[in-house]
Amino acid sequence: EAGVTQSPTHLIKTRGQQATLRCSPISGHTSVYWYQQALGLGLQFLLWYDEGEERNRGNFPPRFSGRQFPNYSSELNVNALELEDSALYLCASSLAPPGGGLFFGEGSRLTVL
Amino acid sequence: GQQVMQIPQYQHVQEGEDFTTYCNSSTTLSNIQWYKQRPGGHPVFLIQLVKSGEVKKQKRLTFQFGEAKKNSSLHITATQTTDVGTYFCAGPAAGNKLTFGGGTRVLVKP
Repeated sequence: EAGVTQSPTHLIKTRGQQATLRCSPISGHTSVYWYQQALGLGLQFLLWYDEGEERNRGNFPPRFSGRQFPNYSSELNVNALELEDSALYLCASSLAPPGGGLFFGEGSRLTVL
Repeated sequence: GQQVMQIPQYQHVQEGEDFTTYCNSSTTLSNIQWYKQRPGGHPVFLIQLVKSGEVKKQKRLTFQFGEAKKNSSLHITATQTTDVGTYFCAGPAAGNKLTFGGGTRVLVKP
């Protein structure tokens, strides 16, 4: 069974541009989570989607947004990129939030120059 | 808001020795989860503890949930080079937001 898949693996953008990251959850999982992990640091909660709805968001500015599609895949959009947005963006899925553990993808490494 | 703290931030261990890493929450948790992230990798779910005082073992790893459900520990015996990585604990906050601790980065000296 395929795990959580994320694309692209790496993305390089310049300040002010927009980035779109994509995530496909494990088959049967309806919840998708997005986390930001700056280099060498912990995981900061960004967004949680379940059944196509945004259920919760972390302490990030509105330029971080996303959506979940009817097939439960998700995308994360970051507008007006800033240098400090450079990080590993991790997507995770679960059967039922949040118990039972999150299953993470390999992540998308975003570099903002 | 809820805070989850882990100590130590770094753990240098001689191969074969034991060590413990600790996780403390500012609020009572319904459950605590542990993850391991290898260098260059992504977090991998290890275990979930739900009951007060619960202890679970996975080979050389022993996980414990505190009686007050506000703290947890991970004890690794006979550390091996395969144990290298960062160990995160995580607990659900209001709105089902899973909050991660800062992690304990484990370095093993052969």
